[in-house]
Amino acid sequence: QVQLVQSGAEVKKPGASVKVSCKASGYTFTSYDINWVRQATGQGLEWMGWMNPNSGNTGYAQKFQGRVTMTRNTSISTAYMELSSLRSEDTAVYYCARVARHLLDAFDIWGQGTMVTVSS
Amino acid sequence: SYELTQPPSVSVSPGQTARITCSGDALPKQYAYWYQQKPGQAPVLVIYKDSERPSGIPERFSGSSSGTTVTLTISGVQAEDEADYYCQSADSSGTYKVFGGGTKLTVL
Repeated sequence: QVQLVQSGAEVKKPGASVKVSCKASGYTFTSYDINWVRQATGQGLEWMGWMNPNSGNTGYAQKFQGRVTMTRNTSISTAYMELSSLRSEDTAVYYCARVARHLLDAFDIWGQGTMVTVSS
Repeated sequence: SYELTQPPSVSVSPGQTARITCSGDALPKQYAYWYQQKPGQAPVLVIYKDSERPSGIPERFSGSSSGTTVTLTISGVQAEDEADYYCQSADSSGTYKVFGGGTKLTVL
């Protein structure tokens, strides 16, 4: 079945970087954009940016520009989101989500989420 | 930066109709989407393109649009519909996506 499976929880110190993976299966990885969304505990959803797995083109929310990098490895159908210069406010669950063109760019498939904790 | 505004909470009794609004200046130009999120789970798409329902979503979920406001309507609310609901759209250029702050639906 179509699914996105993310890497496991991470604990990082302030100032460090984290790289979260998102492995796609059940569909052609290069045919659908991947977006990243995060959610701090008890808070709402926050859009971080998008990546086109075919071209590698990316677009980032202004808040994260300069700190986030979205990449992919098409040979293993995996997308990555790396966030640098981590601070406590980056503690959140990070989700990858597939963009469905046939649903007018809705996020139709989501990963299970990856908890990233930033703590000294 | 562009924002979408939702009420923090809505409460209804089982069998009643729940309406959750989402306001934003660019909504006349950009499609809106609605996601349901239950505790500890990833969001699930319930409405796309303002009013379309994906396959597998019950008919009691519907969406509508009027000017700068979109509305998610849940008719005949059931206990299982208790969740957080988020609207999502994009700024007027379509460059940046954005989520509303979320609305907690409580089924009394």
